[in-house]
Amino acid sequence: DGGITQSPKYLFRKEGQNVTLSCEQNLNHDAMYWYRQDPGQGLRLIYYSQIVNDFQKGDIAEGYSVSREKKESFPLTVTSAQKNPTAFYLCASRIQGRSNQPQHFGDGTRLSIL
Amino acid sequence: QQPVQSPQAVILREGEDAVINCSSSKALYSVHWYRQKHGEAPVFLMILLKGGEQKGHEKISASFNEKKQQSSLYLTASQLSYSGTYFCGTDISGNTGKLIFGQGTTLQVKP
Repeated sequence: DGGITQSPKYLFRKEGQNVTLSCEQNLNHDAMYWYRQDPGQGLRLIYYSQIVNDFQKGDIAEGYSVSREKKESFPLTVTSAQKNPTAFYLCASRIQGRSNQPQHFGDGTRLSIL
Repeated sequence: QQPVQSPQAVILREGEDAVINCSSSKALYSVHWYRQKHGEAPVFLMILLKGGEQKGHEKISASFNEKKQQSSLYLTASQLSYSGTYFCGTDISGNTGKLIFGQGTTLQVKP
């Protein structure tokens, strides 16, 4: 079955440490997205990519970085510059170029500070 | 730019109806509706495209008023499984697929 796999499910970060969240999809989708969700809040866009080797900043990109070297993979690195990283992180993908296509979400990674 | 959802929270008894509204200050290409259970990923419900269409999905339907830049989600004869947080995602770009999500409406259905 096709889908989006995020790993790990839970992640703990020490102060000053960079951590990387994995997102892999086998849906053959061109577009991929990273969101951050804080308790009781909506989803805020961190980064998105419409094609391999290209990505754009979303609304809250500071303290995060991404890469898109393969169509299937869109890892997110939470750097030490992100001072408040505790949140639920969701990765999504969709078929590019058609406005009637939904975003499909992974099961998320919950990141906490040690 | 974030759309405003109302109400913020609603409590229903099984079988009752509810309406959740989503209002944007920007012109919209489409509105996407999702439901999220606590600690889980959002689940897609439906997309409303420009043209003011109304769509249905079992007992859940939605409308989109392009001129007013508003969408409403209608839940009829609610079931316990409808409990969760409902988000609208608005597409203001038309080509990136980028969505701006509202803050969510928490729905609790009681027996």
